[in-house]
Amino acid sequence: EPEVTQTPSHQVTQMGQEVILRCVPISNHLYFYWYRQILGQKVEFLVSFYNNEISEKSEIFDDQFSVERPDGSNFTLKIRSTKLEDSAMYFCASRYRETNTEAFFGQGTRLTVV
Amino acid sequence: KQEVTQIPAALSVPEGENLVLNCSFTDSAIYNLQWFRQDPGKGLTSLLLIQSSQREQTSGRLNASLDKSSGRSTLYIAASQPGDSATYLCAVKGPGGSYIPTFGRGTSLIVHP
Repeated sequence: EPEVTQTPSHQVTQMGQEVILRCVPISNHLYFYWYRQILGQKVEFLVSFYNNEISEKSEIFDDQFSVERPDGSNFTLKIRSTKLEDSAMYFCASRYRETNTEAFFGQGTRLTVV
Repeated sequence: KQEVTQIPAALSVPEGENLVLNCSFTDSAIYNLQWFRQDPGKGLTSLLLIQSSQREQTSGRLNASLDKSSGRSTLYIAASQPGDSATYLCAVKGPGGSYIPTFGRGTSLIVHP
């Protein structure tokens, strides 16, 4: 069964460093998302991406964050200068169409900023 | 702004019980509602997707219902098993022009043998 894959599964980084989280969505999907979940909290939307551009973003997704689809298969989330409060589980998701289809989530990348 | 609430926050039941998890949302103008399962430290596994025009969906021992007008969905788990132990999340898509699912905090379920 097709699945969304994320790498790495766990990333430890020092405060102020840049990190890139990688995702390979399901191959025929057109809509891509990043979410995060701080330990013990809700899953929160960060950004959605379609047709090579951001379609929606939340207030969490500030100038420190960026997304890219560099090669037609990978979908990356970059955090330019990490802060302690960026420590969270980051989930990538994809869906085939915007409406009426399931969102499929990856297993997540646990980011720990020290 | 859409708010999603899940009750109870935690539930512990003996194996074999039938149980109901509740999800409520404040804005009934939704496109669909999706139930997920999350195992500790893991990703989200989609269980059921109910479109706004549907009233229920079934998959194996799981049955999800949707009452859009009252802003409620329930996930019914029949004959619970220890392997059902996980956190169950509901996510509502909408309202209006927003296509972004909004998640509840989840119900943490423990099924003990």
